Amino acid sequence: KQEVTQIPAALSVPEGENLVLNCSFTDSAIYNLQWFRQDPGKGLTSLLLIQSSQREQTSGRLNASLDKSSGRSTLYIAASQPGDSATYLCAVAGGTSYGKLTFGQGTILTVHP
Amino acid sequence: KAGVTQTPRYLIKTRGQQVTLSCSPISGHRSVSWYQQTPGQGLQFLFEYFSETQRNKGNFPGRFSGRQFSNSRSEMNVSTLELGDSALYLCASSLAGDVGEKLFFGSGTQLSVL
Repeated sequence: KQEVTQIPAALSVPEGENLVLNCSFTDSAIYNLQWFRQDPGKGLTSLLLIQSSQREQTSGRLNASLDKSSGRSTLYIAASQPGDSATYLCAVAGGTSYGKLTFGQGTILTVHP
Repeated sequence: KAGVTQTPRYLIKTRGQQVTLSCSPISGHRSVSWYQQTPGQGLQFLFEYFSETQRNKGNFPGRFSGRQFSNSRSEMNVSTLELGDSALYLCASSLAGDVGEKLFFGSGTQLSVL
């Protein structure tokens, strides 16, 4: 059974800092890994999707890496801003599970001015 | 292009009642998945529908059911509501329903059971 763990559970940083969020998964037989952002009481916004054959993906100030063999992914956020404050979730898709993503518990990020 | 639309946005019910939630996928998307999100358990997969057929199901009791219509719109139903069913229910759609395909999520329905 796939299990996804995110560290840290919460992170508070001053504006402008670079930061790293961590995600680990127990079963390396994945199709892809996705990072999402969730604002309080809202749905999920996809940030980056990394296919199992890829090592990293970049979008603006965000960079996500994937090491499938070790079961780890990191989300790097450069020059953080107060608007980045949200919960960040990683999720993996694997096997023959149509429509099923296995999510971590998330990292609550607070960027203070 | 409109995103995934979920209605209603908020819902308050009492124990023992039943509830129906609706999800309209992105136009052209044929697969719809449902998730339950609670503070304690996080996001958990409920089920997935493609071309009106349930192809995958999570580990939830039979009180949770769903269906998909020919226009790909989906509904989920929870019967005999319990306090623990209070959660944010999210649906997601994808174009072809392939494993690992990118999912697009709606804003969710916040269900409170009193």
